[in-house]
Amino acid sequence: AQRVTQPEKLLSVFKGAPVELKCNYSYSGSPELFWYVQYSRQRLQLLLRHISRESIKGFTADLNKGETSFHLKKPFAQEEDSAMYYCALLDDKIIFGKGTRLHILP
Amino acid sequence: EADIYQTPRYLVIGTGKKITLECSQTMGHDKMYWYQQDPGMELHLIHYSYGVNSTEKGDLSSESTVSRIRTEHFPLTLESARPSHTSQYLCASSDAQRERYNEQFFGPGTRLTVL
Repeated sequence: AQRVTQPEKLLSVFKGAPVELKCNYSYSGSPELFWYVQYSRQRLQLLLRHISRESIKGFTADLNKGETSFHLKKPFAQEEDSAMYYCALLDDKIIFGKGTRLHILP
Repeated sequence: EADIYQTPRYLVIGTGKKITLECSQTMGHDKMYWYQQDPGMELHLIHYSYGVNSTEKGDLSSESTVSRIRTEHFPLTLESARPSHTSQYLCASSDAQRERYNEQFFGPGTRLTVL
C-alpha cells in the first residue's frame, strides 16, 4: 500500500545548525513527492516538489529511490523555519505523512 | 483573485445541531478535498471529489457528508454535531490536468467547536 512515513514528530534544532527532516515512502512505481509547510496561523502550502528540483527558502529535498526517501534539508536553520512540515506522495490523490514539528531554538 | 474560501472561519455550536461548512474555489480546479486536522497534528482525508457529481470517502471514517453540484463548491454537512466532531476542517483543491505538478491549494480552515 502507498504510504508516507515521517518518523519524527518533533525536531528541535539550534539556529544556524543544519536541519534534516526525514521522509520515507512506499510506492510501486515512479513516485511524485512534495513537501508542504504550515507556519503558525497560516495556511498549509506547498514548499517544494521533487520534480522541480528546486531550492525554496534554502530547503532542498533529493529523491533517493534506493532508500525510498525524500528527506528535507537546510544547511543553516533560521528562526522563521519553525513550522509543521508534511511530506506527501501523489497517488490518485495526495497522501500526507503525519508531519514533523520543527522548532528552531535561539 | 483566484483563491479558495471557507466559511465560517470559527463556529461554536451545541450538540445535535445540523451544520454545513462551506468551501468554494475560484481556481477552476476539478479536484476538491476535505481534511480534518487537530491543530499542529496530522491531516486526515475525510472526503474528496474528482468533479461534479463525484464524491468519495477518504481514509478517515466520518459521519459528515459532502456534495459537488457545482465545480467551484464543495460543502460539508454534519446532520447532528457531537463534541467528538470538534476539530479544524481544511478544504483543498487541485488541478487534475497537471498531475505531475499537482499542488493542493488549501483554504484557511474552519475551527469547529461542539459543546
